[in-house]
Amino acid sequence: DAGVTQSPTHLIKTRGQQVTLRCSPKSGHDTVSWYQQALGQGPQFIFQYYEEEERQRGNFPDRFSGHQFPNYSSELNVNALLLGDSALYLCASSLTSSSYEQYFGPGTRLTVT
Amino acid sequence: RKEVEQDPGPFNVPEGATVAFNCTYSNSASQSFFWYRQDCRKEPKLLMSVYSSGNEDGRFTAQLNRASQYISLLIRDSKLSDSATYLCVVNPGGDKIIFGKGTRLHILP
Repeated sequence: DAGVTQSPTHLIKTRGQQVTLRCSPKSGHDTVSWYQQALGQGPQFIFQYYEEEERQRGNFPDRFSGHQFPNYSSELNVNALLLGDSALYLCASSLTSSSYEQYFGPGTRLTVT
Repeated sequence: RKEVEQDPGPFNVPEGATVAFNCTYSNSASQSFFWYRQDCRKEPKLLMSVYSSGNEDGRFTAQLNRASQYISLLIRDSKLSDSATYLCVVNPGGDKIIFGKGTRLHILP
C-alpha cells in the first residue's frame, strides 16, 4: 500500500520564477491538503482539494494555486516566487469522512535564491 | 491569543524519565485534537488522537481539558528514540486543522 508521494524532493528556484510541486495521495484517499512549513515552525495550511475543487483555503496569497486531477493527485503552483517562499511544502491526504486524520508525504524542500 | 500554542522547548530529559507538555487552544468550539510527531527533516506522523476521556497508548498518555482549553501529552520511561518535535493539532470545526509550532524534545543518554 503506497503512502503519500511527492516530487521533486528538493528544488532551487530564483526570485520571480514559478514552481509546480506534485503529490499523489495514499491509496484510497480522495482529499489532498497542502501545507507550508518554514524552519522552526509548524505546518501552515495552504488549501485543500476534494473532487477536483478547492474546498478550503488558508491565509496565503493568490500566487499560491492548486489543482486536483481525476485520479486524486494534486499540484501546487507558486508564481512570482519570493525569498520568503523558501520552506518545506508538505502534502497530506485523508479520507473525506475523517479528513482531520492526515497522512503526510515526505515533502518538497523549496529554496528560493 | 494564538489559535494553538505550545512551549517550543527544547525539553532536555534523561533517558527513563517521564516528561509532559501541554498545548493550549483558543477556540472553545474545537472538536478534535491530535498529537503528531515530527523527526528532524521528516514529515509529521500521527502519534495519537486525544479523546475527552483521555487515552493511553503504551508509554504515551494524552488528555484533554476542555474547561481550561488545553491538551497534554505524557511520555513515561522515555527512550532515546522519543527525541523529536511533538506537534499539537486542533480541529476547530469543519475539515480544517491547525498545527502548533511544536515542542522539541531531546532525550539524553
